[in-house]
Amino acid sequence: DIQMTQSPSSLSASVGDRVTITCRASQGIGNDLGWFQQQPGKAPKRLIYAASRLQSGVPSRFSGSGSGTDFTLTISSLQPEDFATYYCLQHLTSPWTFGQGTKVEIK
Amino acid sequence: QVQLVQSGTEVKKPGASVKVSCKASGYAFTDYHIQWVRQAPGQGLEWMAWINCNSGDANYLQTFQGRVTVTRDKSINTVYVELSSLRSDDTAVYYCARGSLGGPKREDYFDSWGQGTLVTVSS
Repeated sequence: DIQMTQSPSSLSASVGDRVTITCRASQGIGNDLGWFQQQPGKAPKRLIYAASRLQSGVPSRFSGSGSGTDFTLTISSLQPEDFATYYCLQHLTSPWTFGQGTKVEIK
Repeated sequence: QVQLVQSGTEVKKPGASVKVSCKASGYAFTDYHIQWVRQAPGQGLEWMAWINCNSGDANYLQTFQGRVTVTRDKSINTVYVELSSLRSDDTAVYYCARGSLGGPKREDYFDSWGQGTLVTVSS
């Protein structure tokens, strides 16, 4: 199985900060990766697909980059509604696997 | 509009089975997969399975070792996930999500989710 390692597991940031979350795959996955946001008690929401494409309706402050084994989710200017947990998901091969999550908290 | 509505909370004893439903509306049911993802309390997301709502072909996380079955009923646009031989660590919120048959690198994949179904396994 492909392992997805996210870092950091949590971070504290202020409104307006630039935030970067990384995800590393245990083997190359091309661009078969998505990023998800989950608010407490809510279903996940996909922000980025195919590693770098912005899902419709998602604010442009979110961006994704990377290919192969190393991927990044960037929030250019953190907003109050962005405090949540973020997950990456690889879907190159079954079983699809999520990273362990990064909790973004208010500083 | 696209909507996925899941069945309600379940409480089961260890060793029992549970069947959770996901009713789709607002789109062509057989043009999509349905994924199942679960989340144990305070834990991360775990992909479980998907089903092709047209063909009925399914793919499962092998660690379930045959305990999980996903089926669909095209006549009522509903997908089911059944988990047998329940254990306490199956306690989780179970989510369904839509995905285009074109695959997860399309925008219309993971674009709509059910509200989640809490399954509690306790003696």
